[in-house]
Amino acid sequence: EAGVTQSPTHLIKTRGQQATLRCSPISGHTSVYWYQQALGLGLQFLLWYDEGEERNRGNFPPRFSGRQFPNYSSELNVNALELEDSALYLCASSPPLGNTGELFFGEGSRLTVL
Amino acid sequence: DQQVKQNSPSLSVQEGRISILNCDYTNSMFDYFLWYKKYPAEGPTFLISISSIKDKNEDGRFTVFLNKSAKHLSLHIVPSQPGDSAVYFCAASPNYGGSQGNLIFGKGTKLSVKP
Repeated sequence: EAGVTQSPTHLIKTRGQQATLRCSPISGHTSVYWYQQALGLGLQFLLWYDEGEERNRGNFPPRFSGRQFPNYSSELNVNALELEDSALYLCASSPPLGNTGELFFGEGSRLTVL
Repeated sequence: DQQVKQNSPSLSVQEGRISILNCDYTNSMFDYFLWYKKYPAEGPTFLISISSIKDKNEDGRFTVFLNKSAKHLSLHIVPSQPGDSAVYFCAASPNYGGSQGNLIFGKGTKLSVKP
């Protein structure tokens, strides 16, 4: 069974541009979560989608946005990129609500903003 | 405002000895706790978890202890092996009407197990 897959693996952008990151959850999982791991920091919660709806949002500015598609895959968009947006962006998925809390992570997308 | 704190950024242990990783939390609404392990260039992988109704959970060489009154949990690895060298994240999950939601992570502790 395929795990959580993310694309692209690496992405280089310049300040002010937009970045789009994609995630495919494990088959049967309906929830998708996005986390940011900046250098020297832990995993910061960004967004949580379930059944196409945004369930919760972390303490990030509105230029971080996303969506979940009918096939449960998800997209994270970061507009007006800033240097400090350089980080590893991790996507995770989990089974439908009622699960024990375990998240299954992908390997991440490394975003570098120059 | 950090709700989950791992105050030790790093820990070095000799192979065969016990590794103890600590984690403190501030939110009493957390009712499920997890430990994840992360190798460089890989996503975090689930290691072990504990519900707030328990004070201990064991899985092979890994044991997690929960002290609710102190809002403290710890991960014990016995015996430690060089392959255990990784960054360990403590995470907590709030209860959303009986279902778990997004995890709140600590900053991680880098464990180095020396042969």
